Amino acid sequence: GDSVTQMEGPVTLSEEAFLTINCTYTATGYPSLFWYVQYPGEGLQLLLKATKADDKGSNKGFEATYRKETTSFHLEKGSVQVSDSAVYFCALRRPGGYNKLIFGAGTRLAVHP
Amino acid sequence: GAVVSQHPSWVICKSGTSVKIECRSLDFQATTMFWYRQFPKQSLMLMATSNEGSKATYEQGVEKDKFLINHASLTLSTLTVTSAHPEDSSFYICSAIAGDETQYFGPGTRLLVL
Repeated sequence: GDSVTQMEGPVTLSEEAFLTINCTYTATGYPSLFWYVQYPGEGLQLLLKATKADDKGSNKGFEATYRKETTSFHLEKGSVQVSDSAVYFCALRRPGGYNKLIFGAGTRLAVHP
Repeated sequence: GAVVSQHPSWVICKSGTSVKIECRSLDFQATTMFWYRQFPKQSLMLMATSNEGSKATYEQGVEKDKFLINHASLTLSTLTVTSAHPEDSSFYICSAIAGDETQYFGPGTRLLVL
């Protein structure tokens, strides 16, 4: 079945460091891919998305490129801030899948000053 | 962007009572909403799909008589936890599908059953 695999956390970085959170997926067809962020005690916020191969989603300095050849959607940011500390979820939505999202396990990011 | 609200944000109740959680899409209409449950430091578990004007579709293993879902309008879905017990304590999150087919999430409701 369809699934999403994320790198295990926690990821601990110093402020202004480069961030990569790996995400790979298994799916039939051409899914849409998403990154959501969850701050402590809150619900999920859509960070970025990509709906077809080679699309690049970007928002707030974060980027992710839909790579069909490697079935990946890695999240990157060039310079993280303390305020980026949160849990990041990669997710896919299968075409014709009634809009259901399949989530990865989540990766906790902690950024220190 | 699209906004989804939940009420209440947290609730404490006694074992055996029922609790109702509301999920509203504030600036868009949503024929489909979802209810999730999240345990500490874990991912979201889809509980059910709420469809406006029809019965909810529950995921395998979720008791439909325990978790009653009503989607009475295009902007409101409710989840009622009936005869709540301590094991029902959790973080409940709803989401709604906007016109661009993106899923927008509410801020969550923390339920503690004593």
